[in-house]
Amino acid sequence: AQSVSQHNHHVILSEAASLELGCNYSYGGTVNLFWYVQYPGQHLQLLLKYFSGDPLVKGIKGFEAEFIKSKFSFNLRKPSVQWSDTAEYFCAVNARRDDKIIFGKGTRLHILP
Amino acid sequence: NAGVTQTPKFQVLKTGQSMTLQCAQDMNHEYMSWYRQDPGMGLRLIHYSVGAGITDQGEVPNGYNVSRSTTEDFPLRLLSAAPSQTSVYFCASSSLAALSYEQYFGPGTRLTVT
Repeated sequence: AQSVSQHNHHVILSEAASLELGCNYSYGGTVNLFWYVQYPGQHLQLLLKYFSGDPLVKGIKGFEAEFIKSKFSFNLRKPSVQWSDTAEYFCAVNARRDDKIIFGKGTRLHILP
Repeated sequence: NAGVTQTPKFQVLKTGQSMTLQCAQDMNHEYMSWYRQDPGMGLRLIHYSVGAGITDQGEVPNGYNVSRSTTEDFPLRLLSAAPSQTSVYFCASSSLAALSYEQYFGPGTRLTVT
């Protein structure tokens, strides 16, 4: 069964700092990968996804992620964070031969103004 | 187009009571799922469905039942509530047409069991 590990539980950055949130998954086959964001008091929304093709995926609000198959990783990046990026970020994986979509435990990001 | 709707928004139950959390979507999505969100635990999959009449267990199915009689609705039933089921519950749906499993989430139901 697939699983997802997010390395950072809580990250604090200043505005304009660069961001990288780690995500590793365990599954040997073909996968779909996702990053979702949950802003305070709101429900989850999709930031970006990898389905196939270019392993560097661009999403909304300047976020991007790189799928590195050999490392089973799908790290989320943003070159310059803003205060409005304060939120909880979740990595998720779907093994193509399965219908389950499994989430990581989340990373709470706090941006200092 | 309302997307994914959930009712109620808040609920307090006593231990042993039963209730049904409602979830509906108007996007004609085949795939629907239920998650619970607990601090430090992320989202954990309870049950999911790939179409009317088809359901399957997720990571934490014990204490919960589901059914899928229509494409639009996917209710989650707690048969005998326990304090360990205090959580925020999210329903989500996805189209299987593109096989990408991009999910649309509802606003959540905050359940407290005393």
